[in-house]
Amino acid sequence: DSGVTQTPKHLITATGQRVTLRCSPRSGDLSVYWYQQSLDQGLQFLIQYYNGEERAKGNILERFSAQQFPDLHSELNLSSLELGDSALYFCASSVALGAKETQYFGPGTRLLVL
Amino acid sequence: GIQVEQSPPDLILQEGANSTLRCNFSDSVNNLQWFHQNPWGQLINLFYIPSGTKQNGRLSATTVATERYSLLYISSSQTTDSGVYFCAGSDRGSTLGRLYFGRGTQLTVWP
Repeated sequence: DSGVTQTPKHLITATGQRVTLRCSPRSGDLSVYWYQQSLDQGLQFLIQYYNGEERAKGNILERFSAQQFPDLHSELNLSSLELGDSALYFCASSVALGAKETQYFGPGTRLLVL
Repeated sequence: GIQVEQSPPDLILQEGANSTLRCNFSDSVNNLQWFHQNPWGQLINLFYIPSGTKQNGRLSATTVATERYSLLYISSSQTTDSGVYFCAGSDRGSTLGRLYFGRGTQLTVWP
C-alpha cells in the first residue's frame, strides 16, 4: 500500500458525460501528480499541483481540469468525454516539488467511456 | 529532447531464471526511477536511482548516469514478478517532478 488513495476504482460512463476522479496523497506529501495510461500513448503526465497551486502542465486536454484543495486532496475533472478518454488514470504524490524524490502512485481509476 | 527507451519490450522466463532489463535515456533526463506494474494495474516504485547501485532482495538496479543508461536485475524470478517494468526520469533542467516514462518491458514468468 503506497498510502495514496484514489476513488472510484472503476468508472463506466457514456460519451459526452462528465466525471470527477479523486485522490488523497500520502500524509505529509505536498505534491500531487496526475498521469494517464492508455495503450497507444503509454504513461503520460497530465498535471502537477504543489500545496494547492498548479506547478506543471503536460499533455492535458482543455476538456480536463484539476485542482488541489486546502486539505491537499486533488480532483481531476474530465468533461465532454470521448471514447478515446478511456484509460487508467493515476494519481501520485511526493513530499515536495519532486525533482529528486520518489513518487508514490495510487491504485488508479479505470475509466471506460462507452 | 527527452527520451526514455526500454528494452526488451517483452521477456518470457521460467521460474528461477535471472533477467536484465535496460533503460536508455537522453542527456536531458535524470533522477531515474524504476516501477513495477502488476497484473492488477498497481504501479509500485521499486527504486529511485539517479546513479550508483541499489539492491532490494532479489532485485537490484544500477544507473550509469555518465553513459545514460540504467539496468534492473531480477534474480531467481518468481511468477509474482510478472507484469510490466517501467523506467522513468525527470527533466534535468527542472526542479519539478514530472516523470517521463519508457514504454515498459512486459515480463512473463512461467512456473
